[in-house]
Amino acid sequence: EVQLVESGGGLVQPGGSLRLSCAASGFTFRDYWMSWVRQAPGKGLEWVANIRQDGNEKSYVDSVRGRFTISKDNAKNSLFLQMNSLRPEDTAVFYCARVERAFTYGRHLHYFDYWGQGTLVTVSS
Amino acid sequence: SYDLTQPPSVSVSPGQTASITCSGDKLGNEYVSWYQQKAGQSPVVVIYQDNKRPSGIPERFSGSNSGNTATLTISGTQAMDEADYYCQSWDSGTGLFGGGTKLTVL
Repeated sequence: EVQLVESGGGLVQPGGSLRLSCAASGFTFRDYWMSWVRQAPGKGLEWVANIRQDGNEKSYVDSVRGRFTISKDNAKNSLFLQMNSLRPEDTAVFYCARVERAFTYGRHLHYFDYWGQGTLVTVSS
Repeated sequence: SYDLTQPPSVSVSPGQTASITCSGDKLGNEYVSWYQQKAGQSPVVVIYQDNKRPSGIPERFSGSNSGNTATLTISGTQAMDEADYYCQSWDSGTGLFGGGTKLTVL
């Protein structure tokens, strides 16, 4: 059974830092792209970052690029999100998600087939 | 990247068909997936690659994608289908989500 368990959320002051972790089990972690997706209170889903299977390709939404860093440790089956220079608008539940990707008939397939339960990050003074 | 636009809310009577649209300038260029999120829970994929259902998702869920509009259709809607639904696609290395549609089963 695929399981994704996030941790590391909490209350942090504006300008502060936080490191989120996601422990993966039930699948061969090193074979998958992984993502972070967030959801502000009462709002919709927002993709935050992606990382390739080997960790050598990463992408970010514009609003976090340069402040957040995604990484993965395939030996420990873990995904991370280092968040620096946090802002009140970063307040959200952060989900870890496994990615399924393909390129078929000239179109990209990229979707999130398993999600964790989420961890709440609150940025406030 | 571009925006994915969904209606904020859709209402349907039990047993009827609900349709939720998702529009975007380049939507037909990439595959679309749909997620169901019930109150207080994590999202669950109900349709991927425009029209494929993951195992365990009821047959009443179906999807289509043509031109600039993708549609999630729920046939014979049940009370348990009341939830928020999000479309999702991919553009130039960036993940995109629609704003979400609250489905109310009256």
